[in-house]
Amino acid sequence: ELKVEQNPLFLSMQEGKNYTIYCNYSTTSDRLYWYRQDPGKSLESLFVLLSNGAVKQEGRLMASLDTKARLSTLHITAAVHDLSATYFCAVGGNQFYFGTGTSLTVIP
Amino acid sequence: SAVISQKPSRDICQRGTSLTIQCQVDSQVTMMFWYRQQPGQSLTLIATANQGSEATYESGFVIDKFPISRPNLTFSTLTVSNMSPEDSSIYLCSVEAESQELSAYTDTQYFGPGTRLTVL
Repeated sequence: ELKVEQNPLFLSMQEGKNYTIYCNYSTTSDRLYWYRQDPGKSLESLFVLLSNGAVKQEGRLMASLDTKARLSTLHITAAVHDLSATYFCAVGGNQFYFGTGTSLTVIP
Repeated sequence: SAVISQKPSRDICQRGTSLTIQCQVDSQVTMMFWYRQQPGQSLTLIATANQGSEATYESGFVIDKFPISRPNLTFSTLTVSNMSPEDSSIYLCSVEAESQELSAYTDTQYFGPGTRLTVL
């Protein structure tokens, strides 16, 4: 079974700071997804990464994929309070395997 | 993309009863998925539901406990049977649909708003 691990599990950061969330997975996969979940809400799709070296950016978030290292990163630049949420990576094709999630709190 | 609705949005149920959750999508999709998310946890896939065939269950989930129907390409139900407090969770359905990014189409999973179930 494919395993997906994220770290850190919890992240508290000040506004304006940068940080990176890591997503490691145990077997080869051709797709890597990042989702955001606000408290009490469903999951919102952020990024789909399809190939080695893929990099995508939306606002203050940038995601990258290294399929050889089986690693994806979600980089946060100059964090703002609105980014506070739980972030999940997910790996797979028809069947998704979700990471453990990273609960991000941005402190003013 | 896909827009998904679920009913009910939340419910409080007594031990030993059953609850059926409905999932409706605004377009025809081949595969629908049911997930469970326990408080503060990640998502765990319960089963994959294809129209016209039996659902495929993941390890640790059985049809007697979580029967699924998939009568057409836009609708599915998940029943949580003979509930116990351990079944208290959020249940989410999702579908795989195309999303367009720039000029490329990729498949991604879209999620419903979830059903928050509390079993007393």
